[in-house]
Amino acid sequence: GAGVSQSPSNKVTEKGKDVELRCDPISGHTALYWYRQSLGQGLEFLIYFQGNSAPDKSGLPSDRFSAERTGGSVSTLTIQRTQQEDSAVYLCASSLVGGVNQPQHFGDGTRLSIL
Amino acid sequence: QQQVKQSPQSLIVQKGGISIINCAYENTAFDYFPWYQQFPGKGPALLIAIRPDVSEKKEGRFTISFNKSAKQFSLHIMDSQPGDSATYFCAAGGSNYKLTFGKGTLLTVNP
Repeated sequence: GAGVSQSPSNKVTEKGKDVELRCDPISGHTALYWYRQSLGQGLEFLIYFQGNSAPDKSGLPSDRFSAERTGGSVSTLTIQRTQQEDSAVYLCASSLVGGVNQPQHFGDGTRLSIL
Repeated sequence: QQQVKQSPQSLIVQKGGISIINCAYENTAFDYFPWYQQFPGKGPALLIAIRPDVSEKKEGRFTISFNKSAKQFSLHIMDSQPGDSATYFCAAGGSNYKLTFGKGTLLTVNP
C-alpha cells in the first residue's frame, strides 16, 4: 500500500476485555514502531521492531501489553484485561531502516476507548 | 534526562503572521531534532529536521533555529496560513532509533 495502514480505526470495548490492534507498514520498511498518544500528551514509545532482531519492548507500560511482528511485515499490538487508563490513540510508524534520522511514516492510528 | 519540553501548549496566530514554537532538551547526546505535523484524525508527518552542526535550516515557510549551547530549538512558520492549523511536535534523538517527543503545540491560524 501507499502508506501505513492501521485497523480498526476506532475500537470501543468494556473494561477487562482483550483487544488486538493491527499495523500494516509500508512495503519494504524494516523498522516498525508502536506509540501511544494520550490526550494532551506527546507520543509515548511502546515497542520497536527491526528486521529479525529481538524487539525493544522497553516502553510497554505493563505485562498486559504485548506485540508481535510476523514475517517482518504486519504487526499486532495486544492489550489484555483492558483498563480505562488504556484509552488513547495507538499509532504505528515504519521506516525504511532503523535509525533516529530515518523519517518515520505514521498510520492514522487506532482510537481505543475503554468503557 | 530524556525529556523534551515544548511550549506553548497552544498558539493562535493571524493569517500572515509568524508562528513560533519552542523546545528544550536536556540530553547532550541528542543529535537529531525533527518536527512533526499532525492534523486531526491523522498520524504525524515529518515536516523538517535539523542536526546540531548547523544553526538554522529552512524549507519553504518553515525554519528550524537551533541553539546548541542553550539546548534549545524552535520552529518558525512564516506567513502562517489557515491550512497550517495543526498540532506540532518537536522530537529529539541520539545514537539509537528512539525519538523523544515533546507534548505538542496546537496551532490555530485565524483567517
